[in-house]
Amino acid sequence: GAGVSQTPSNKVTEKGKYVELRCDPISGHTALYWYRQSLGQGPEFLIYFQGTGAADDSGLPNDRFFAVRPEGSVSTLKIQRTERGDSAVYLCASSRTPGRVSYNEQFFGPGTRLTVL
Amino acid sequence: LAKTTQPISMDSYEGQEVNITCSHNNIATNDYITWYQQFPSQGPRFIIQGYKTKVTNEVASLFIPADRKSSTLSLPRVSLSDTAVYYCLVGPHENRDDKIIFGKGTRLHILP
Repeated sequence: GAGVSQTPSNKVTEKGKYVELRCDPISGHTALYWYRQSLGQGPEFLIYFQGTGAADDSGLPNDRFFAVRPEGSVSTLKIQRTERGDSAVYLCASSRTPGRVSYNEQFFGPGTRLTVL
Repeated sequence: LAKTTQPISMDSYEGQEVNITCSHNNIATNDYITWYQQFPSQGPRFIIQGYKTKVTNEVASLFIPADRKSSTLSLPRVSLSDTAVYYCLVGPHENRDDKIIFGKGTRLHILP
């Protein structure tokens, strides 16, 4: 079956602009995660959705970052007033089993590489 | 919060068995140990998970001693395609205060 997909694969934007990153999870997966990964670092947790609701957004760095999952499937990560420090690969993952637990196998997408000039 | 410590990098040769050890001295009773593999320009991929003793699948084995303060991922007869970063995670991470932390992982480089 299809895996987790993310679009776009690459996004270049200018400082101060607004960007949206999309994640299509595996069909039927109720849990969805967003991570950010900088060069040479492991993925950094941003936010976790259980169904339509953000069950844990404690990893979002500031109020410029926001994510939605209105129908419990596709999710969009939105970044306002982008800064150069936002440049990273943004990874999305989904999990079949509900619950914010790391023993639920997470299936990751290929990521969106965001570059803020 | 169970933190993990693993070597930053390792080198090995094709055909060898590779063992990557992860230390997690503060592991909690309900914590599992999970390993992910990440290739360049890809998202991480689940490899194996265990709670105690030994777990084996078609890709790897995971050895966990009785005190569970460490675990060892064993990759049998590695090939060049096993060159990747390997992350050790510990938890269930059920609470907001218990962050899901991948850490920097172990960068494994397989030589011909």
